[in-house]
Amino acid sequence: DVVMTQSPLSLPVTLGQPASISCRSSQALVYGDGHTYLSWFHQRPGQSPRRLIYRVSIRDSGVPDRFSGSGSGTDFTLKISRVEAEDVGLYYCMQGTHWPSTFGQGTKLDI
Amino acid sequence: QVQLLQSGVEVKKPGASAKVSCKASGYSFTNYGIAWVRQAPGQGLEYMGWISAFNGEILYAQNFQGRVTLTTDTSTSTAYMEMRSLRSDDTAVYYCARGSAVAAWGDYWGRGTLLTVSS
Repeated sequence: DVVMTQSPLSLPVTLGQPASISCRSSQALVYGDGHTYLSWFHQRPGQSPRRLIYRVSIRDSGVPDRFSGSGSGTDFTLKISRVEAEDVGLYYCMQGTHWPSTFGQGTKLDI
Repeated sequence: QVQLLQSGVEVKKPGASAKVSCKASGYSFTNYGIAWVRQAPGQGLEYMGWISAFNGEILYAQNFQGRVTLTTDTSTSTAYMEMRSLRSDDTAVYYCARGSAVAAWGDYWGRGTLLTVSS
C-alpha cells in the first residue's frame, strides 16, 4: 500500500498567521488518466471528515479561499493563508490513485 | 442537498456480526459509488472498501477481505456494510462517503455509526 507521511503531526498556530502541512507519498500519485488523486480533509472533534481539496489543488464547494493545495509527484502541501478559530482540528491527506486509498497519520492544528 | 444518513449506534459481542446502513438522498444514487472508512477511538482514518452503484464494482482493502461485505439496494438508495466475526479492535466509528469513482471520492460523508464490540 502507498504510505502517506504527513508533517508536522502537531501544528500550534496563531490566529491570523499562515500554516502549512506537508504530505509525502511513497509512490508517485499520477493516475492513468493523467490526474493526481490527492485530497485533503479536515475533521473537527466529534464530526465527520470534510473534504477541502481534491486533485491536489481544487477546492471543494464552500471551502474558503484561504485554503490552497499544491504539489506534484510525491510531495504535496496544504496551506492556510490566515488561520481562523474554526480551522482547529485534524487534517488528513489521502491518495486515491493506487488501490487501496490511504491516509496520512493526521496533523493536529490548534491555536 | 446531498445527504448520507447512517444507521444508529450498535453494540455487539465478540464473534457476532453487524450491518451498518447508509441511505443516500439528494442525488442520483446509481451515478455514484460509496466508500467505507472507519476510525478507531483516538486513531486516524482507515479505508475499508468501495462499492459502485453505477457498475456494481466492489473492492475490499486487504485488511477487510473475507470479513466484510459491501452491498447496495438501488430501490432504496442505500448502501450497506456488514462485518462478521467481530473483535474488540473493530470498535470504531464507521463512515460512508460518496464517490464518482474508486479513485475520486469523499465529497460527502455520513455522520458515522459507532460500533462497539464488547463482551
